[in-house]
Order: sequence, then structure tokens, then C-alpha cells
Amino acid sequence: GESVGLHLPTLSVQEGDNSIINCAYSNSASDYFIWYKQESGKGPQFIIDIRSNMDKRQGQRVTVLLNKTVKHLSLQIAATQPGDSAVYFCAETLGSYSGAGSYQLTFGKGTKLSVIP
Amino acid sequence: EPEVTQTPSHQVTQMGQEVILRCVPISNHLYFYWYRQILGQKVEFLVSFYNNEISEKSEIFDDQFSVERPDGSNFTLKIRSTKLEDSAMYFCASNRVGYTFGSGTRLTVV
Repeated sequence: GESVGLHLPTLSVQEGDNSIINCAYSNSASDYFIWYKQESGKGPQFIIDIRSNMDKRQGQRVTVLLNKTVKHLSLQIAATQPGDSAVYFCAETLGSYSGAGSYQLTFGKGTKLSVIP
Repeated sequence: EPEVTQTPSHQVTQMGQEVILRCVPISNHLYFYWYRQILGQKVEFLVSFYNNEISEKSEIFDDQFSVERPDGSNFTLKIRSTKLEDSAMYFCASNRVGYTFGSGTRLTVV
């Protein structure tokens, strides 16, 4: 089975509303989690990351929440804009992440976010 | 902003043919990767490369696949005898800390 997965394959939101994209992971040893945005025809683009010693991290209009008890990760996008329309993936590293060096990412299936103008 | 560059953007090949996918990682990055994404599915790890050798590889990366850093800038993925199921987007990535992905090569095997 997959180590990282997503609850919803598609999400439609009204422009200006907040979006919440969820992700479940199964590996308790995972140490580092990243959210990526993938637009059509492009590679995954880094949005925000979080280490397992944190439960919340904020960026510009985005917040990642980590609940290690239930192995759940979420991405919140505030005031969603048409340019946010894309597929969003969560990814985890297997095992300990030292902050640098070589590490392998395990991706979830992705949630397609559509923003309605 | 530095980019990972991949060429070609789209490659069509006949089953059984060899293909080479090319990547130019970010110049001061030390770790290089190939991932693939079959249409509609998740991104999957293929191989990581450091100090001119493979550091990790997945079950997907069988004997038909090889990687090479032939000079100081290019990083290539070769598939010796392509199969229909090799059709996918192939992403190159590099990092010192956080990953940067290229825009991918869409490989279509016919």
C-alpha cells in the first residue's frame, strides 16, 4: 500500500475562500513533509515544508498543519486565487531527515484544486 | 531564480528503442534524482545520485535504466529498451537542501 495518500482527489473552491487540502501518512518514522504544487505541464513546485518536531508552519497565504497522533497533514490556502488552481501533492521522507543531503521523497496521489472565479 | 532544465520536453519513441533523457541540474547542487509520473498517478522515485554514483534506487529502476553524469553539468537517464509502460513524465531534480524539480520530459512509447 502507499505510505502517503490524500483524502479527496478534487476540490473546488470559490475565489477568495480558504482551501484546505488533506493528506494522510502511514510511516511514523517520517521526519520531514513537504507540500508541492504542480501546474499543468510543469514539475512539482515547493510550497511549504514542516519537520516532525513542529505542528504548524506558516508561509505567505499558506499554512501547513501536522498532527502526528493521527498521522495527518493539511495545507491551508488563505484567500484562494485563480492562480492557485493546480494539483497539490504532499510528500514525505522515509526515515530521518538531517536537513541536508540526499533524501528520497514519497508522494501522495494529489488533489486537484479548482478555483471558481 | 536557478532552474533545473530538462530536454527534450516531449519524446516519442518506438517500443524497444533506447532513449536518453537529459537534465542540467542547478550548478551548486550536489544531489541528483530522477522521478517519474505515469499519467494521472503520483510521482514515484526512481534513483538518486551523488558523487558520481547511485546512492539509492527503487524497484522501478531495473537493469533497463541507467544514469550518468557525463560532464560537470549534465545528468542523464537512459532507458535501453523502452516498453509501453515506460510512457510517463520523467522529472529530474537536484538539491543541496530543498529539492528543485525540472519541468519534465513527457516520454511516449508507441
